[in-house]
Amino acid sequence: QKEVEQNSGPLSVPEGAIASLNCTYSDRVSQSFFWYRQYSGKSPELIMSIYSNGDKEDGRFTAQLNKASQYVSLLIRDSQPSDSATYLCAPDMGQGGKLIFGQGTELSVKP
Amino acid sequence: GAGVSQSPSNKVTEKGKDVELRCDPISGHTALYWYRQRLGQGLEFLIYFQGNSAPDKSGLPSDRFSAERTGESVSTLTIQRTQQEDSAVYLCASSYPTPDYGYTFGSGTRLTVV
Repeated sequence: QKEVEQNSGPLSVPEGAIASLNCTYSDRVSQSFFWYRQYSGKSPELIMSIYSNGDKEDGRFTAQLNKASQYVSLLIRDSQPSDSATYLCAPDMGQGGKLIFGQGTELSVKP
Repeated sequence: GAGVSQSPSNKVTEKGKDVELRCDPISGHTALYWYRQRLGQGLEFLIYFQGNSAPDKSGLPSDRFSAERTGESVSTLTIQRTQQEDSAVYLCASSYPTPDYGYTFGSGTRLTVV
């Protein structure tokens, strides 16, 4: 079983819609969770972090965490074409500081 | 510095040659990480440093790969006797002692072995 699983996509949504990106992880000790965005040909950039069960909102982005279900998601409201990128989920698996990255979900927002 | 700096940005080398990739982390970031990303693939962990010690080298693919770090500063990833399968983008990231606030990535070194 992979440690971090994400749907590879591509996930295609129309401009202005809500994009929902999901991630499951295998290790119950994970305490910190991160979402990174990676544009084609660029390096990943941190967009959200979440540590507690529930929702965390930052502008158009909402991260949701359910530790009992080992599930974390990212919602993007009012999606824009500039949101088109690959989104990487990365739990801190408690392995001494390294993050384990999922394969990423490719999001395409169509004008 | 203001960000994580990696050099060179691009490197083309002949099969069998050795290469050195350099990473200069953000000042004050004691943790430094190396990842590899092959074309169209996810991020593959290689090694991480806490200061100049490497508690976790589990991701280094073979003994042709090695890395070192001087204090809490520059790190060098060395690949000896390069093979075509080593072609990838090598990403360096740094953080405070734990990644509670996430990593900051450099722009990467694109290595092509011909």
